[in-house]
Amino acid sequence: ETGVTQSPTHLIKTRGQQVTLRCSSQSGHNTVSWYQQALGQGPQFIFQYYREEENGRGNFPPRFSGLQFPNYSSELNVNALELDDSALYLCASSSRDRLSEETQYFGPGTRLLVL
Amino acid sequence: AQSVTQLGSHVSVSEGALVLLRCNYSSSVPPYLFWYVQYPNQGLQLLLKYTTGATLVKGINGFEAEFKKSETSFHLTKPSAHMSDAAEYFCAVTPSNTDKLIFGTGTRLQVFP
Repeated sequence: ETGVTQSPTHLIKTRGQQVTLRCSSQSGHNTVSWYQQALGQGPQFIFQYYREEENGRGNFPPRFSGLQFPNYSSELNVNALELDDSALYLCASSSRDRLSEETQYFGPGTRLLVL
Repeated sequence: AQSVTQLGSHVSVSEGALVLLRCNYSSSVPPYLFWYVQYPNQGLQLLLKYTTGATLVKGINGFEAEFKKSETSFHLTKPSAHMSDAAEYFCAVTPSNTDKLIFGTGTRLQVFP
């Protein structure tokens, strides 16, 4: 186990709704990255948060937004859900300041189904 | 720009046989390379990584990979497959350890008794 937790584990929403996914990073980590993994595909980078600031963003529209809190946990928010948003959402935690903890460690993911 | 190509979306081997999963990368800077494994309905688990130094990297569960700059490859191998190795394997590249990971499309490994 990596110590990275995500909630909820599964979620069903309808098109047009909004969703919030949560991630608790491993103790001592200050960086959280979010990835979307569509069925049968590799994970795609959404964005990364470092010390509560967005630190890089992939090719995702603005309706994908995030937050990082002082305890370094994070939220991913998706507005105006579309059918194609159905995927496994993974968060990964790491530390940009500690060389021994640079590797990104993944949580178990949240599976989102949009109907 | 960086990219990863995993040759073979499905690989099948017999238990005890050699496992070889192929990964080629494209990177404009010296890459950091990773192999992750994903078991059904689970997140990604790090198998091994290459940053700098020794080009033969040993990971968990008996897996290893060799960074070959001239071939832009980072193939994953295991001398003897076990039934528990059946999973999806992803190769990934990044310009630094904590930057965004660029993943390949994955290779599903099946192990037959």
